[in-house]
Amino acid sequence: AQSVAQPEDQVNVAEGNPLTVKCTYSVSGNPYLFWYVQYPNRGLQFLLKYITGDNLVKGSYGFEAEFNKSQTSFHLKKPSALVSDSALYFCAVRDAGNTPLVFGKGTRLSVIA
Amino acid sequence: GAVVSQHPSRVICKSGTSVKIECRSLDFQATTMFWYRQFPKQSLMLMATSNEGSKATYEQGVEKDKFLINHASLTLSTLTVTSAHPEDSSFYICSARETGANVLTFGAGSRLTVL
Repeated sequence: AQSVAQPEDQVNVAEGNPLTVKCTYSVSGNPYLFWYVQYPNRGLQFLLKYITGDNLVKGSYGFEAEFNKSQTSFHLKKPSALVSDSALYFCAVRDAGNTPLVFGKGTRLSVIA
Repeated sequence: GAVVSQHPSRVICKSGTSVKIECRSLDFQATTMFWYRQFPKQSLMLMATSNEGSKATYEQGVEKDKFLINHASLTLSTLTVTSAHPEDSSFYICSARETGANVLTFGAGSRLTVL
């Protein structure tokens, strides 16, 4: 069965500094990996995905993530954080079939001006 | 891009009544939709997979008679919380994946409060 671990409940970053939100996964076969962001009382917005190809994936709002197969990780990164990036971030994984996404518990990012 | 509309965004009901939440794919057809439930400050819990024209597949521990799912067309799935109780109060989110696409598109969610 698929699983996702987001080891940090909260990440605090000063505006302008780089940010990293960690994610590790477990899946049989090749993973389909995703990052979503959720603002208060809203649904999830898609940020980026890794299916195949280049291990470094670029997504919306300047975010990127690096797929590391040996470490089974897919950490989310941004070179320079904005206050408006403050939100709840979810990592998710599924296998290659038409299976539902499995989500991590989420990491709350707080960017301080 | 793909858009999923969810309605209502907020609903307050009395204990014992039933509430219907609609999930529509606006510009694409979705043979499969997913219903999630999110508790405060927690992750999304998959409740069921809604399949157009057939019965929904429920996750373990989710009462199918309590949470009725109907996927009558390729663009509409509904979740009905029957005989709602205060413990059913939660944020319900639907999602859909366009055929052949890898990305799930989510609705904005529906916050249910049962008094």
